Amino acid sequence: AQSVTQLDSQVPVFEEAPVELRCNYSSSVSVYLFWYVQYPNQGLQLLLKYLSGSTLVKGINGFEAEFNKSQTSFHLRKPSVHISDTAEYFCAVSAPAGYNNNDMRFGAGTRLTVKP
Amino acid sequence: EAQVTQNPRYLITVTGKKLTVTCSQNMNHEYMSWYRQDPGLGLRQIYYSMNVEVTDKGDVPEGYKVSRKEKRNFPLILESPSPNQTSLYFCASRRREGEAFFGQGTRLTVV
Repeated sequence: AQSVTQLDSQVPVFEEAPVELRCNYSSSVSVYLFWYVQYPNQGLQLLLKYLSGSTLVKGINGFEAEFNKSQTSFHLRKPSVHISDTAEYFCAVSAPAGYNNNDMRFGAGTRLTVKP
Repeated sequence: EAQVTQNPRYLITVTGKKLTVTCSQNMNHEYMSWYRQDPGLGLRQIYYSMNVEVTDKGDVPEGYKVSRKEKRNFPLILESPSPNQTSLYFCASRRREGEAFFGQGTRLTVV
């Protein structure tokens, strides 16, 4: 089965600074990777996804992530954050159809706090 | 509008009183899942279903039941709730290959 580790539980950053949220995965097969965002008292919303093709993936709200197969990582980046980016961010992994146990698994989350 | 609908959004109940949280999706997705979210633990999968009448345990299935009699519905049943099942619950659906779509969540308190 797949698993995900988010390396930072909390990331404080000042407004307009760059940010990187780190995610490493473990899998014996090829993977699909996702980043979700959860604003306070809301459900989860997809930020971006990697299914195949270019390893640099661009998502909504100016976020991007890079799939690095050799390092089994999928770190999320934004060059300049806003107060409104304050939220919980989740990395998730699943396997393509045809593999056993291809359900989606999530990391423990990273709380991003953007300070003025 | 494509959506996953959970009900109720909030529920307070007493230990041992059976309850059902409903989940419905209108996207004709094959896969549906239930997760619970607890501080510091992220989302942990309770059960998932790959199609009608096909379900399997996730990481934390104890104390929960599910059924998938129709493609659109995937209810979560707590036969005898206990305080350690107090949590925020999410239902999600997806195609075989693709992102998950989430409901708005159900905040359950068992006293």
